[in-house]
Amino acid sequence: AQSVTQPDIHITVSEGASLELRCNYSYGATPYLFWYVQSPGQGLQLLLKYFSGDTLVQGIKGFEAEFKRSQSSFNLRKPSVHWSDAAEYFCAVGYNTDKLIFGTGTRLQVFP
Amino acid sequence: EAQVTQNPRYLITVTGKKLTVTCSQNMNHEYMSWYRQDPGLGLRQIYYSMNVEVTDKGDVPEGYKVSRKEKRNFPLILESPSPNQTSLYFCASSPTQWSRGEQYFGPGTRLTVT
Repeated sequence: AQSVTQPDIHITVSEGASLELRCNYSYGATPYLFWYVQSPGQGLQLLLKYFSGDTLVQGIKGFEAEFKRSQSSFNLRKPSVHWSDAAEYFCAVGYNTDKLIFGTGTRLQVFP
Repeated sequence: EAQVTQNPRYLITVTGKKLTVTCSQNMNHEYMSWYRQDPGLGLRQIYYSMNVEVTDKGDVPEGYKVSRKEKRNFPLILESPSPNQTSLYFCASSPTQWSRGEQYFGPGTRLTVT
């Protein structure tokens, strides 16, 4: 069965530090991959997506993610975290019929 | 402004009292979906609709109903709510069923069933 794993439930970083959030998926074919962010009290906002082509994708708010087929991973990165990045981050895998499978989320806390 | 709206945003109710959470989008999207979000479980799909009058079950449909009589609206109905339906609910839409999972989310409805 298809699944998405985010191994880190909670991550704490200092403002200005680099960030990497991990995501692994299980799917037989090439997946469509997404990162969504949920700020406190808000809905989910799309950060970036990967459908095909260049395996390093750029998103909004200075985030990027790299698709590694050999590792079934799609890790999210940011070189310098801002306090406003504190939120919950969800990795998701999409399919042709628009079904989305979400990971369980990683809560990011940023210390000044 | 392009958006997905949900009402109410917060709701406290009692077991067995029927309720409806409305969802509306102004982007002329064909595909709409309902999710519930629970701690440690992420988001799970309840129902989805590929177009008007076309709906289907997601991963956790038990205890819920939906309808899609108009393209813009996709209400979620709980005929007899139970405490295990206490959750945060999100409506989402996308242009077509072939949008490969790129969806626009509403702000969420926090439901408490006592």
